[in-house]
Amino acid sequence: DSGVTQTPKHLITATGQRVTLRCSPRSGDLSVYWYQQSLDQGLQFLIQYYNGEERAKGNILERFSAQQFPDLHSELNLSSLELGDSALYFCASSVATGLQNIQYFGAGTRLSVL
Amino acid sequence: AQTVTQSQPEMSVQEAETVTLSCTYDTSESDYYLFWYKQPPSRQMILVIRQEAYKQQNATENRFSVNFQKAAKSFSLKISDSQLGDAAMYFCAYRRGGGADGLTFGKGTHLIIQP
Repeated sequence: DSGVTQTPKHLITATGQRVTLRCSPRSGDLSVYWYQQSLDQGLQFLIQYYNGEERAKGNILERFSAQQFPDLHSELNLSSLELGDSALYFCASSVATGLQNIQYFGAGTRLSVL
Repeated sequence: AQTVTQSQPEMSVQEAETVTLSCTYDTSESDYYLFWYKQPPSRQMILVIRQEAYKQQNATENRFSVNFQKAAKSFSLKISDSQLGDAAMYFCAYRRGGGADGLTFGKGTHLIIQP
């Protein structure tokens, strides 16, 4: 168990809908990262937050947004969902942002868009 | 932009033998880290080993070791005494210096352990 908690584990929804994925980082970790794993694109970095502020953006679509709250949990919001958004979404956390800090991954949320 | 290439979609090894997974990367940065992550059927991403670009000595973690060739931009993973529990997808990953960035992953290598 990495200590990173993601909910829900599975999510099934329809095209055009909006969903929210939740991540609780390991105790003491200030940085949160979101990744998408799909058959087409592989594992892709989406976005990083550190202590409530956005630090880096990867291949995140404009339909997607994220935030990190004062209690350090993070949410990834996916809107106007398309079939191609079906994927495994991972959250990872680390103590800080430095290069030496290991990212610990949650178990992921499996999103199925029908 | 940096890229990570894993040229072996699938590898198979007999239990107790040694296997090497290949990874090459492309970057213009001098400060970076390289990683190998394991993803078993449970889907959990588990860090296996990491290597700092400035360190010439190859990292080792028990049965896992790397061969880091910085000039060639190569970062292979050697698994000794392979065990059934090593069966998984293995991803090579890169992270550049500065701290404000995520990991860049390769496409992965599916490792099969033959009993």
